[in-house]
Amino acid sequence: TQLLEQSPQFLSIQEGENLTVYCNSSSVFSSLQWYRQEPGEGPVLLVTVVTGGEVKKLKRLTFQFGDARKDSSLHITAAQPGDTGLYLCAGSLNFGNEKLTFGTGTRLTIIP
Amino acid sequence: EAQVTQNPRYLITVTGKKLTVTCSQNMNHEYMSWYRQDPGLGLRQIYYSMNVEVTDKGDVPEGYKVSRKEKRNFPLILESPSPNQTSLYFCASSFRGYNEQFFGPGTRLTVL
Repeated sequence: TQLLEQSPQFLSIQEGENLTVYCNSSSVFSSLQWYRQEPGEGPVLLVTVVTGGEVKKLKRLTFQFGDARKDSSLHITAAQPGDTGLYLCAGSLNFGNEKLTFGTGTRLTIIP
Repeated sequence: EAQVTQNPRYLITVTGKKLTVTCSQNMNHEYMSWYRQDPGLGLRQIYYSMNVEVTDKGDVPEGYKVSRKEKRNFPLILESPSPNQTSLYFCASSFRGYNEQFFGPGTRLTVL
């Protein structure tokens, strides 16, 4: 059983459209990270959210941590082909816990 | 350049033939870990190390061994590989386990 479930698993949309991907859990996380992975490479960190209800923006990407720190979302505005990739969320369960648990991933394809 | 290196990048082997995948980081990170990535399952942690001579099992440790004799190196050993260990493997390092993970480029392993 995966601690972190991401949805959708696959998403293919046209350039210029908006989209949201979700990362859900029944557990409370002290912090949550979002990574993007491109083919042939390792994941690269996009953002870390720590406080319940926190919203962070990275250009056209908006990340939100749920109030109860059990879920997170990533919203992309006006998607571009460069946004194509595998998006992974990863959470740390307790403050001081060294273990990072990764979600199942959302594979995003932006069609020009 | 700050980086995590893995070798080899690609490996095809046969069942039962011992192999080692090397991992090295030049960022003086204390925490290092190994993950395997399989379709639909995201990244699953195999082993991690919080410091030299300190290693512990992750979520899927069966069939793998690790060692941490030096801070910069964290090799992954498959004593008797089996076909179910065919996967994409990533080494990662960070200051602490819940901090940003820096990933290597990955090793694609096929066990026939």
